[in-house]
Amino acid sequence: KAGVTQTPRYLIKTRGQQVTLSCSPISGHRSVSWYQQTPGQGLQFLFEYFSETQRNKGNFPGRFSGRQFSNSRSEMNVSTLELGDSALYLCASSLGDRLSSYEQYFGPGTRLTVT
Amino acid sequence: KQEVTQIPAALSVPEGENLVLNCSFTDSAIYNLQWFRQDPGKGLTSLLLIQSSQREQTSGRLNASLDKSSGRSTLYIAASQPGDSATYLCAVVGRTSGTYKYIFGTGTRLKVLA
Repeated sequence: KAGVTQTPRYLIKTRGQQVTLSCSPISGHRSVSWYQQTPGQGLQFLFEYFSETQRNKGNFPGRFSGRQFSNSRSEMNVSTLELGDSALYLCASSLGDRLSSYEQYFGPGTRLTVT
Repeated sequence: KQEVTQIPAALSVPEGENLVLNCSFTDSAIYNLQWFRQDPGKGLTSLLLIQSSQREQTSGRLNASLDKSSGRSTLYIAASQPGDSATYLCAVVGRTSGTYKYIFGTGTRLKVLA
């Protein structure tokens, strides 16, 4: 069974630009979550989607948004990029509709560098 | 506000040693706790998931325990190998203001010397 895939793996953008990252979950998984990982803040939860609806959201500004498609694939968008947005963005998928019940499986991440 | 702490931040041990990694959380109202490993520049690999009603989980050389009342979990690695070198992260799932959230610890960077 294929794992979680993320594209692109590496990205370099300029301040003020916007970026879209993509995540394909494991087949059959309906929940997709996004995380930001930085050396200073560690791993922080961005948001979670289930059945095309955002169900949970972390404490990030509105510049960070996402969506999920009917095939469970998800995209994350960051508008008006800032230097501090440079990070590893990780996507995770899980089977169920409750974070409390199912393990999360992570993709390899997208390394975003903002210059 | 839930806070998750992992001690030590870094650990270096000779091959073959048994070792314990610690994870502490401030709010005992969690739904589950999951241990991950992360290799440099890569995503996270799930190791063990412990539901709030469970006390421990085992997989191969790994054993994780959970004590909700004291806000602690430990990951025990038996007979460590150089391939175990990685950063180990614990994450708890709790509910805040009606929403579920994963809160990650800061990680323990493990190096197993051959």
